[in-house]
Amino acid sequence: EAQVTQNPRYLITVTGKKLTVTCSQNMNHEYMSWYRQDPGLGLRQIYYSMNVEVTDKGDVPEGYKVSRKEKRNFPLILESPSPNQTSLYFCASSLNPGETQYFGPGTRLLVL
Amino acid sequence: AQTVTQSQPEMSVQEAETVTLSCTYDTSESNYYLFWYKQPPSRQMILVIRQEAYKQQNATENRFSVNFQKAAKSFSLKISDSQLGDTAMYFCASMGDAGGTSYGKLTFGQGTILTVHP
Repeated sequence: EAQVTQNPRYLITVTGKKLTVTCSQNMNHEYMSWYRQDPGLGLRQIYYSMNVEVTDKGDVPEGYKVSRKEKRNFPLILESPSPNQTSLYFCASSLNPGETQYFGPGTRLLVL
Repeated sequence: AQTVTQSQPEMSVQEAETVTLSCTYDTSESNYYLFWYKQPPSRQMILVIRQEAYKQQNATENRFSVNFQKAAKSFSLKISDSQLGDTAMYFCASMGDAGGTSYGKLTFGQGTILTVHP
């Protein structure tokens, strides 16, 4: 089944404790992206990747890191999480950037 | 830079009726893509419809169609014969085409919550 998977789906952590949210797609897509969703703000792009080893900042990259060492994986790293990073996070992929993006199920993160 | 604005935080419609969701955008790109995504209570994001700005013809997908007014930078979504399963939050989004500065950058509006009543 073609899909985008994210892990974990739910995470409660404390300020400053490094965490990684994994994202994987099995559709051989070139493009992958991370978004955060907050009430009243819609979805905002954090980072995106056009291909392996090619990443770029979206609108809200502060406090986040990404890497794209393999085509299928695009992990989101929070080196020192803070409460303002409490949010719902989505990973997405598409064959090319302008095509339909397929979204993962979301990861709900709470930073205390 | 791109901005997308959805001015209707909430809308409601009776089952089987038609509803239109508004979206306006601003972009400096000459070519770009526009999207409507649906997010039902399950939180899963699903594409509803996609429009390439250089195409004059409005995109349609079954009961869903858009009214794309390029000069006015307007991209509204019309849902015909509304069904209970259409209850969701709807997001409008834009991205620049290849060669532009916002290629790869997807910008979303704030969303419109649509409730379909039986």
